[in-house]
Amino acid sequence: GQSLEQPSEVTAVEGAIVQINCTYQTSGFYGLSWYQQHDGGAPTFLSYNALDGLEETGRFSSFLSRSDSYGYLLLQELQMKDSASYFCAVGPSNQGGKLIFGQGTELSVKP
Amino acid sequence: KAGVTQTPRYLIKTRGQQVTLSCSPISGHRSVSWYQQTPGQGLQFLFEYFSETQRNKGNFPGRFSGRQFSNSRSEMNVSTLELGDSALYLCASSLWGTGGANPNTIYFGEGSWLTVV
Repeated sequence: GQSLEQPSEVTAVEGAIVQINCTYQTSGFYGLSWYQQHDGGAPTFLSYNALDGLEETGRFSSFLSRSDSYGYLLLQELQMKDSASYFCAVGPSNQGGKLIFGQGTELSVKP
Repeated sequence: KAGVTQTPRYLIKTRGQQVTLSCSPISGHRSVSWYQQTPGQGLQFLFEYFSETQRNKGNFPGRFSGRQFSNSRSEMNVSTLELGDSALYLCASSLWGTGGANPNTIYFGEGSWLTVV
């Protein structure tokens, strides 16, 4: 089947850098995306990798390696407001209109 | 522009009842996808509608159904509710769909919190 694995929780301090990994067992997908969700609210888009390599968007960067079935989200200069759940997701190329999500990583940023 | 609107935001139902949830997508968006979110299973795809047609369906029992109207608004219905149906139901709006579309064009609503007692 298709699945994505992420650590369940990560803790870091303000100002630090944290990396959230996502390993997957799926083939034929359009790209790897990352979403942020605060306290069960609306997931919001953070970053997307259609191709292998690094994508940078402000304090957030994301990386994809299809050969290693691996990606990560890098958050720099952590702020308290970054405390949230982070999900990786893929859109299978043979199942249009569908996203498969990882279980999510709860990030706690401490002062 | 207005975001994705889901109603009701919170509701409590009794086992065996049915429930209908509504989603109004962003104006101009023709695709509406529904996801169930629970602590144990994460976000799971229910189905996607595009221009009133169901294009894809997840692995949920037939008690879960949906439809889309000509104005792109969508409803999902769950019949014969079970305790395990308690979840946050999220609707995602996009121009072309949540699969192949560039995900920065996908917008989620705040969700409908369903509690089955």
